Amino acid sequence: GAVVSQHPSWVICKSGTSVKIECRSLDFQATTMFWYRQFPKQSLMLMATSNEGSKATYEQGVEKDKFLINHASLTLSTLTVTSAHPEDSSFYICSAKPSGRVETQYFGPGTRLLVL
Amino acid sequence: QKEVEQDPGPLSVPEGAIVSLNCTYSNSAFQYFMWYRQYSRKGPELLMYTYSSGNKEDGRFTAQVDKSSKYISLFIRDSQPSDSATYLCAMRINDYKLSFGAGTTVTVRA
Repeated sequence: GAVVSQHPSWVICKSGTSVKIECRSLDFQATTMFWYRQFPKQSLMLMATSNEGSKATYEQGVEKDKFLINHASLTLSTLTVTSAHPEDSSFYICSAKPSGRVETQYFGPGTRLLVL
Repeated sequence: QKEVEQDPGPLSVPEGAIVSLNCTYSNSAFQYFMWYRQYSRKGPELLMYTYSSGNKEDGRFTAQVDKSSKYISLFIRDSQPSDSATYLCAMRINDYKLSFGAGTTVTVRA
């Protein structure tokens, strides 16, 4: 149980295009999902907290117009990187917290984005 | 000073050895402590979850929390090559935001 999927697993795009990443909780409902970014050999950095049916809460320094988050259902959150540039190339990981349980989050396998 | 400190290693041990990992933290409000394992190019996988001080054992894994010293540990007994990964400590207060350590890269040599 507690499986989280991400799609796509990797994506290569041209500079200036937008990329959408999906995060799904497969066997549980998640009121809250989180989006992280991880650079090589570094730890996870929280970008934003996504709550179903409401606006996402962004961490300091994260541009909300650049990284659009939508959490339209209890099993799906999406992150759209708008007008992507090479500096947006990174490993993006989502996590989901099961509804009604407070102990922890379960992580997806990550999406590797390369912007040329 | 970072909120959570973790030595990034790398740490290399022979197969069968005990792997000892630890993190220190500065925020005394942290109550929930977790260890995640992350293989290269994969998302983190939850290994252990503990609440407040004490020990917790799960198979070859033992997690310890010492809140008085603001110090947590993870021990892996009878280490296997398949245990080679990056191990991340994480902790949080009452809200859901996790604070992560930098991660320690472990290699278990066959």
